[in-house]
Amino acid sequence: SQTIHQWPATLVQPVGSPLSLECTVEGTSNPNLYWYRQAAGRGLQLLFYSVGIGQISSEVPQNLSASRPQDRQFILSSKKLLLSDSGFYLCAWRGLALVANTGELFFGEGSRLTVL
Amino acid sequence: LAKTTQPISMDSYEGQEVNITCSHNNIATNDYITWYQQFPSQGPRFIIQGYKTKVKNEVASLFIPADRKSSTLSLPRVSLSDTAVYYCLVGPRGDSGYSTLTFGKGTMLLVSP
Repeated sequence: SQTIHQWPATLVQPVGSPLSLECTVEGTSNPNLYWYRQAAGRGLQLLFYSVGIGQISSEVPQNLSASRPQDRQFILSSKKLLLSDSGFYLCAWRGLALVANTGELFFGEGSRLTVL
Repeated sequence: LAKTTQPISMDSYEGQEVNITCSHNNIATNDYITWYQQFPSQGPRFIIQGYKTKVKNEVASLFIPADRKSSTLSLPRVSLSDTAVYYCLVGPRGDSGYSTLTFGKGTMLLVSP
């Protein structure tokens, strides 16, 4: 079966420090991968999506970046965090007609980032 | 991509039926309507998906009129554990090729005793 993992689950970082969140998917190949952010009391904001290794599309211009060095690995990074980067970060994957044909998104456990 | 509009919040009591409506006026021919449920500090999870008419599963029903410009998620006999945010998404399914999936603000459903 397919699984998705994110880490770290929680982190507190000072303003100006770097960030690296990692997401891996198991049990599937060539998934579409997504990074979302949810600020406190807000909806889900799509940050990046990827349809293959090295292929990254950004939905919102900001100081974050994403990379996909391997088929089932998706990394969210920042060189210098801002206070506004605080939030709940969710990684998700979606298969191409491989799972139940609904194209549903499967989310990881999330990473809660607090920037002080 | 079709934009969706949902009520920001809804209140209900245990045992009642809850209907949450989503408007998607510019839905495309190959778009499906998918609903997700999100609890605090968790990722959303799939509830139900439909293309037209009515779809029903063990937890919800989805009603879609002929023009497909709106859809209604129906939750029968809600309980306290149904308190969550509900999102309506409109877009092609995974087997239609790559696509972005944008969530709206969702509807916060609060179920009281």
